[in-house]
Amino acid sequence: DTGVSQDPRHKITKRGQNVTFRCDPISEHNRLYWYRQTLGQGPEFLTYFQNEAQLEKSRLLSDRFSAERPKGSFSTLEIQRTEQGDSAMYLCASSSTDRYTEAFFGQGTRLTVV
Amino acid sequence: DAKTTQPPSMDCAEGRAANLPCNHSTISGNEYVYWYRQIHSQGPQYIIHGLKNNETNEMASLIITEDRKSSTLILPHATLRDTAVYYCIVREPYGQNFVFGPGTRLSVLP
Repeated sequence: DTGVSQDPRHKITKRGQNVTFRCDPISEHNRLYWYRQTLGQGPEFLTYFQNEAQLEKSRLLSDRFSAERPKGSFSTLEIQRTEQGDSAMYLCASSSTDRYTEAFFGQGTRLTVV
Repeated sequence: DAKTTQPPSMDCAEGRAANLPCNHSTISGNEYVYWYRQIHSQGPQYIIHGLKNNETNEMASLIITEDRKSSTLILPHATLRDTAVYYCIVREPYGQNFVFGPGTRLSVLP
């Protein structure tokens, strides 16, 4: 296993279209996080899963956003009816549930809404 | 909100030590200090973390003051590839997420 994998790396979509991103975490990690990052800012937390359960959602996660992790392995993040303000880098990270664990990030999916 | 403050930018000469400060004056007793860095257009990369003892790994050293209100990340021999944004984060054990601030943009100059 070489780390957290995200697909696609880049996505250009027209406003109003739906998009879906995939994240494959490190295989033994049961926590999975989604973050969003806009230009010049640090990553902002969106949501996280422990196994298949979605345990926390940020206020940033509007009702157009939905995330799933159906079997506790890979996760998908869907954005419906995209808006130009959704243009950002979407980052996925995974970690174990050990007390002092670090999280490992993927390379991100850069979304451009035109 | 991030519980840390960092200078927005720093320069360092190639081959010299880069010392990146972080203030976390409201840190609680069980919160750890984590450092990540992000090279342009890549995902954040874990560097090191610690509680109260100084820590060292193959990438860097972490020096935490005795009162734990501040810390310094040391890159002993900075190279051009160390140019990145460096984030200092405090987090509880079993904490639910990592809260990033704006970080410090380190420029390593030839």
